[in-house]
Amino acid sequence: DAGVIQSPRHEVTEMGQEVTLRCKPISGHNSLFWYRQTMMRGLELLIYFNNNVPIDDSGMPEDRFSAKMPNASFSTLKIQPSEPRDSAVYFCASSPQDSGAQGTQYFGPGTRLLVL
Amino acid sequence: KNQVEQSPQSLIILEGKNCTLQCNYTVSPFSNLRWYKQDTGRGPVSLTIMTFSENTKSNGRYTATLDADTKQSSLHITASQLSDSASYICVVTGDNAGNMLTFGGGTRLMVKP
Repeated sequence: DAGVIQSPRHEVTEMGQEVTLRCKPISGHNSLFWYRQTMMRGLELLIYFNNNVPIDDSGMPEDRFSAKMPNASFSTLKIQPSEPRDSAVYFCASSPQDSGAQGTQYFGPGTRLLVL
Repeated sequence: KNQVEQSPQSLIILEGKNCTLQCNYTVSPFSNLRWYKQDTGRGPVSLTIMTFSENTKSNGRYTATLDADTKQSSLHITASQLSDSASYICVVTGDNAGNMLTFGGGTRLMVKP
């Protein structure tokens, strides 16, 4: 199994531009999580999907952030417009069917975002 | 407010020595507690996950303990290796819809030869 796949691995963009991060969860996993990690705030859960349905988006910082999961094998996290304070590493994680937020999560390698 | 506090923030030990990392939490109601290892530049990897009824769980040289009464957990690393150098993150899951995941700030461990 290839594990959780994220793209791009690195992204440098200018303030105001739209940024789209992509994630392919492990096949058969029905729960998907988006996280943000910074030195100041550590690891933060942004949003969690179960069976492609958003269950908890209380961690999404503001309306500039949106996430979709159109099918079981793909999710996107979009920032529009991006700001320098969005610079962070964004992780996607997936968890086996029916475990939801209770089970073991398998993390992708992350996308390092730098907004200038 | 749900909180997870980890100590120490950072730790340096010599290769071959043992060490213990601490995690105190206030999450209630409690569902489970996990320890993750995160190597620099990589995503976290799960080491252990413990529920209310479990008070110890091992994964190779890593042993996690849980005292649900005092709301404390520890991660003990035996015979440390250079590859143990990483950040170790404690994550507590609550047991209701509004009680998702609460993360500790992590302990950064450096193992020196």
